[in-house]
Amino acid sequence: DIQMTQSPSSLSASVGDRVTITCRASRDISTYLNWYQQKSGMAPKLLIYSASILQSGVPSRFSGSGSGTDFTLTINSLQPEDFATYYCQQSYISLRTFGQGTKLEIK
Amino acid sequence: QAQLVQSGPEVQKPGASVKVSCKASGDIFSKYGISWVRQAPGQGLEWLGWISTYNGNANYAQLLQGRVTMTIDTSTTTAYLDLWSLKSDDTAVYYCVTDRLYSTSKLHAFDIWGQGTLVIVSS
Repeated sequence: DIQMTQSPSSLSASVGDRVTITCRASRDISTYLNWYQQKSGMAPKLLIYSASILQSGVPSRFSGSGSGTDFTLTINSLQPEDFATYYCQQSYISLRTFGQGTKLEIK
Repeated sequence: QAQLVQSGPEVQKPGASVKVSCKASGDIFSKYGISWVRQAPGQGLEWLGWISTYNGNANYAQLLQGRVTMTIDTSTTTAYLDLWSLKSDDTAVYYCVTDRLYSTSKLHAFDIWGQGTLVIVSS
């Protein structure tokens, strides 16, 4: 299996801040990396696929980058609705795996 | 509107089995495979396996090997997750989700999610 490790596990920030979440794969996954947002009590939502491509309807303040083993999710100018938990997920191999999640909280 | 609608909450005893259904609307059943993901209370997302809605072939995560079967009924565009020999650790919200191939990237991502089914395993 491919292990996905996110950092930090939790993060406090204020509205208007810029935040970055990182995700590291245990081996090279090219750009087979997706990011999801999950709000409390809701199903996750796809934000970014293929490391950097914004899913339709996702605000442009979200961006993703990286390839190989190291990836980042950046949120510019945090909005109140962005406070949630974020997960990375690899689809390089058929046995999919998620990172452990990063909880973004209001400071 | 493309959506996945799952069956209702379940309470089962340890050692019992549970079957969760996931009905696909629209034409999504013919387009995408279905993955199952679960989330234990206060925990992260855990991928359980995937099934092809084309031919019913499935592959499962190692953690549930031997206790899970995923099936489809093409006549009702419904996917099923069967889990048996339940343990308290199986208490979780179970999600079905379309495993969509983005052709330009040749990558799969989880696109449309069901609302989740809470399964509680308790004596």
